[in-house]
Amino acid sequence: KQEVTQIPAALSVPEGENLVLNCSFTDSAIYNLQWFRQDPGKGLTSLLLIQSSQREQTSGRLNASLDKSSGRSTLYIAASQPGDSATYLCAALTGSGYALNFGKGTSLLVTP
Amino acid sequence: GAGVSQTPSNKVTEKGKYVELRCDPISGHTALYWYRQSLGQGPEFLIYFQGTGAADDSGLPNDRFFAVRPEGSVSTLKIQRTERGDSAVYLCASSPGLANNEQFFGPGTRLTVL
Repeated sequence: KQEVTQIPAALSVPEGENLVLNCSFTDSAIYNLQWFRQDPGKGLTSLLLIQSSQREQTSGRLNASLDKSSGRSTLYIAASQPGDSATYLCAALTGSGYALNFGKGTSLLVTP
Repeated sequence: GAGVSQTPSNKVTEKGKYVELRCDPISGHTALYWYRQSLGQGPEFLIYFQGTGAADDSGLPNDRFFAVRPEGSVSTLKIQRTERGDSAVYLCASSPGLANNEQFFGPGTRLTVL
């Protein structure tokens, strides 16, 4: 069974800092990996999706990388802003090819 | 609509009652998924539909949980004899249905069982 772990569980940084969120998974036979953002009491917003054949994806200030062999993905956020404060979840698509396996998330607080 | 919608946004019920949660997927998406998210946890897979049929319901916790999608669009998650442990946010997602597609999530229904 795929196990997804996210470190750290919580992170607080001052505005303007660059930061990295980590995601690890136990089964390297993934189809893709998605990063989501979740605001308090809200649903999930998809940020980036990396297919298994890709190494990274970029959207604006966000860059996600994927290393299947080591079972790791990172989400890099450049020049953080208070509006980036949210919980960030990673999810791996494995096995059957449709059920996402999620980590518990990293709760990010960016202070002005 | 432009995205996945779920109703109601909040549902409070008493232990033992029956509840129905509704999901409207993105138009044209043939695949539909239900997940459950408990406090402080990531979402956990419940059931997957491809068209009208439940292709995989292995994530449903027990036989009190059932889901339907009779016309291949709207889906309803049904919970009988609710228990306090069923309290969670129930998330619905849809995708175009091809393998490895990105899943798009709705805002969720927060279920509270008193």
